[in-house]
Amino acid sequence: AQSVAQPEDQVNVAEGNPLTVKCTYSVSGNPYLFWYVQYPNRGLQFLLKYITGDNLVKGSYGFEAEFNKSQTSFHLKKPSALVSDSALYFCVYSSGNTPLVFGKGTRLSVIA
Amino acid sequence: EPEVTQTPSHQVTQMGQEVILRCVPISNHLYFYWYRQILGQKVEFLVSFYNNEISEKSEIFDDQFSVERPDGSNFTLKIRSTKLEDSAMYFCASILRQGNTEAFFGQGTRLTVV
Repeated sequence: AQSVAQPEDQVNVAEGNPLTVKCTYSVSGNPYLFWYVQYPNRGLQFLLKYITGDNLVKGSYGFEAEFNKSQTSFHLKKPSALVSDSALYFCVYSSGNTPLVFGKGTRLSVIA
Repeated sequence: EPEVTQTPSHQVTQMGQEVILRCVPISNHLYFYWYRQILGQKVEFLVSFYNNEISEKSEIFDDQFSVERPDGSNFTLKIRSTKLEDSAMYFCASILRQGNTEAFFGQGTRLTVV
């Protein structure tokens, strides 16, 4: 089955340190990959997407992600974490003609 | 910026009752979705709707569920006879076209079945 996997349920990072939230994908063909964020008691907000072209994509709030075809990964990164980045992050996949498929989510906690 | 709006934000209902969750998608979008999230966990696909009909549905979307777009703007999810396990956050989303464009999600309706 085509899917995305987020191997970490929880990531803890100190404020000011770089953060990485991992995602790997298992799909055939060229995937469309997205990151969404859910702040406490809020809806889902789009952060960034990879469609084609540059492997490094930049998104909202200083986040970026690198598409790595050889490692089938699409890790989310930020050079310097903020306490306000604490949220639930979802890696999401689409094949182009199917609904979005969500990973299980990774809870990021940034500690002051 | 255009947004997807959902009402109500919170709905409490008794088991066996019917509920209707409402959504107003972004006006020029063509595809509409319902997803649900139980207890802040994984977001699960329920149904997609295009050209005034269901285009895809998951195993969760059984005969107790239905969707419609009655007036060209609202997009509703109806649960005919709610069960305790229907308690979840329900998200509506809309997208201009499938594939390489991002979906816009509403703030969600928290459904509590008691």
